[in-house]
Amino acid sequence: NAGVTQTPKFQVLKTGQSMTLQCAQDMNHNSMYWYRQDPGMGLRLIYYSASEGTTDKGEVPNGYNVSRLNKREFSLRLESAAPSQTSVYFCASSERGSRSNYGYTFGSGTRLTVV
Amino acid sequence: GQQLNQSPQSMFIQEGEDVSMNCTSSSIFNTWLWYKQDPGEGPVLLIALYKAGELTSNGRLTAQFGITRKDSFLNISASIPSDVGIYFCAGQTSSGTYKYIFGTGTRLKVLA
Repeated sequence: NAGVTQTPKFQVLKTGQSMTLQCAQDMNHNSMYWYRQDPGMGLRLIYYSASEGTTDKGEVPNGYNVSRLNKREFSLRLESAAPSQTSVYFCASSERGSRSNYGYTFGSGTRLTVV
Repeated sequence: GQQLNQSPQSMFIQEGEDVSMNCTSSSIFNTWLWYKQDPGEGPVLLIALYKAGELTSNGRLTAQFGITRKDSFLNISASIPSDVGIYFCAGQTSSGTYKYIFGTGTRLKVLA
């Protein structure tokens, strides 16, 4: 089925370890996003990529880096994980057109615990 | 930063009851979206609203784009157990960005 695929689904890291969360979409969407979801705080934008070759900071970018590898793939990297980065991470994609309001298609999330 | 206030934060209802929730903003939006998130899954788009005053239905769900463009409402009629989940509103400003701002969610629990 077409959609957004995130890997891994679960991950436990020790403080200071690094890892990369992978995201790929097969809908030929131009824009891709990384959100984190914490209890009572909804979804907060970490980074986004409006189109291939561009990335921009969102609301909570500190401690993260991203790479838009190609049109399909957008990865999120934690260089030195901290307990405050324990969260559920969602990747999303959307189409940008004359109406940039098609909404997002979300992946099923990566549940990250930093101990 | 911009804030979306979503209420109520959570609600328990009896199966068969109607449900109402809303989302308000301090800014004007040109698009409102409503999503549902099932446990362990990502949010799924339910309804998209593009014009002030617009009323759109999707089965038992009806959403409205407030005429002030600063609020939106979602109603669920005759709730069933599978309606359980978290409902998020999301808004896009008129600034032409590709970013949506999400509300904090309404957690719905349906008692059979």
